[in-house]
Amino acid sequence: LAKTTQPISMDSYEGQEVNITCSHNNIATNDYITWYQQFPSQGPRFIIQGYKTKVTNEVASLFIPADRKSSTLSLPRVSLSDTAVYYCLVAKGGNNDMRFGAGTRLTVKP
Amino acid sequence: EAEVAQSPRYKITEKSQAVAFWCDPISGHATLYWYRQILGQGPELLVQFQDESVVDDSQLPKDRFSAERLKGVDSTLKIQPAELGDSAMYLCASSLVGPYEQYFGPGTRLTVT
Repeated sequence: LAKTTQPISMDSYEGQEVNITCSHNNIATNDYITWYQQFPSQGPRFIIQGYKTKVTNEVASLFIPADRKSSTLSLPRVSLSDTAVYYCLVAKGGNNDMRFGAGTRLTVKP
Repeated sequence: EAEVAQSPRYKITEKSQAVAFWCDPISGHATLYWYRQILGQGPELLVQFQDESVVDDSQLPKDRFSAERLKGVDSTLKIQPAELGDSAMYLCASSLVGPYEQYFGPGTRLTVT
């Protein structure tokens, strides 16, 4: 089971780009990388998932280097409503084994 | 947009009492998860179902917790007897195939007094 390491907290300002990096040194060949967002008193919400290189959707981008031992979630032009906890997970393809870590608490300031 | 339903949203119970939580996943989602989240921590997987079968319950405290998904649709998580340390948010999630994209419900906030 690949363990993930993220910064405990980050601060940013409205309009800035935020990059949150996750380390997963023991990632296996068939592991996927998934990011979730969680607001207080709500369940986590899926943001993005990737296997290698770069993935982009309407809310974020995910950058994965060739060795796949880390990944970076990029949030363009954050707003106050992006203040939340962000979780990086590594899950085996076809295997139901997923563990949440402590996450990164992002605070966006005006 | 389809959502995962959970009830109740809030529950206050005294220690040693029994408590139950209900979850109705998104229609067609074969995989269902129950998580426990203590304030300030990430969700901890308690049990995972594939249809009506338990796939993983290695983190479920089986002396007091039980979970079922009899018809492979909705699910119930029970605690008996409740202890003070069980106070937490209990989250239910479902997914179409495997763990790739889970959809979470609003959770049940349990307070044990």
